[in-house]
Amino acid sequence: DTAVSQTPKYLVTQMGNDKSIKCEQNLGHDTMYWYKQDSKKFLKIMFSYNNKELIINETVPNRFSPKSPDKAHLNLHINSLELGDSAVYFCASSHNSGQMNTEAFFGQGTRLTVV
Amino acid sequence: GENVEQHPSTLSVQEGDSAVIKCTYSDSASNYFPWYKQELGKRPQLIIDIRSNVGEKKDQRIAVTLNKTAKHFSLHITETQPEDSAVYFCAANTGGFKTIFGAGTRLFVKA
Repeated sequence: DTAVSQTPKYLVTQMGNDKSIKCEQNLGHDTMYWYKQDSKKFLKIMFSYNNKELIINETVPNRFSPKSPDKAHLNLHINSLELGDSAVYFCASSHNSGQMNTEAFFGQGTRLTVV
Repeated sequence: GENVEQHPSTLSVQEGDSAVIKCTYSDSASNYFPWYKQELGKRPQLIIDIRSNVGEKKDQRIAVTLNKTAKHFSLHITETQPEDSAVYFCAANTGGFKTIFGAGTRLFVKA
């Protein structure tokens, strides 16, 4: 049973294309995230959703549009892909209870290569 | 906003030696400090965490210490083994919906 699963694992596409990455968690968590990991391994938060509502948008270009149809899913759509979008994108989820946070569980990552 | 700095960026130790990774955070409201291990090509996974009401926590060969006054926290790995080789991330969270990660430490354990 995979706790946080994202698809596809690899994505190679040309500049200017539009692509989507899907994420699903079966942990019953109320909060989901997208992180971008660049070639230097730096993990940078992009978006945070709580109960389907956008909580955090870390000044990500509006070419990136997350969508959460329900609290178990958080998809990421990227328009007009650029070379600099090449990275590994991780979906994650956690449980937030009031002011207490818990560990984040990560998906296996999607390696996006824009050529 | 919160900023987390992590040192060193690379650490090489001999098998059996100890490894220490240090982090500092900027937001005094941070109350949750997880550490993640990421093996090559894999996802980050939690190895240990500590909350702000605790100064130290240990789990077998891994320990974490927290100094709230100085806003420092550290990961200690004793009796390192080759399978400990990975990238380690510290992180800080204020109890909200954003966990900020350090830049990572690439640990090499030489057999």
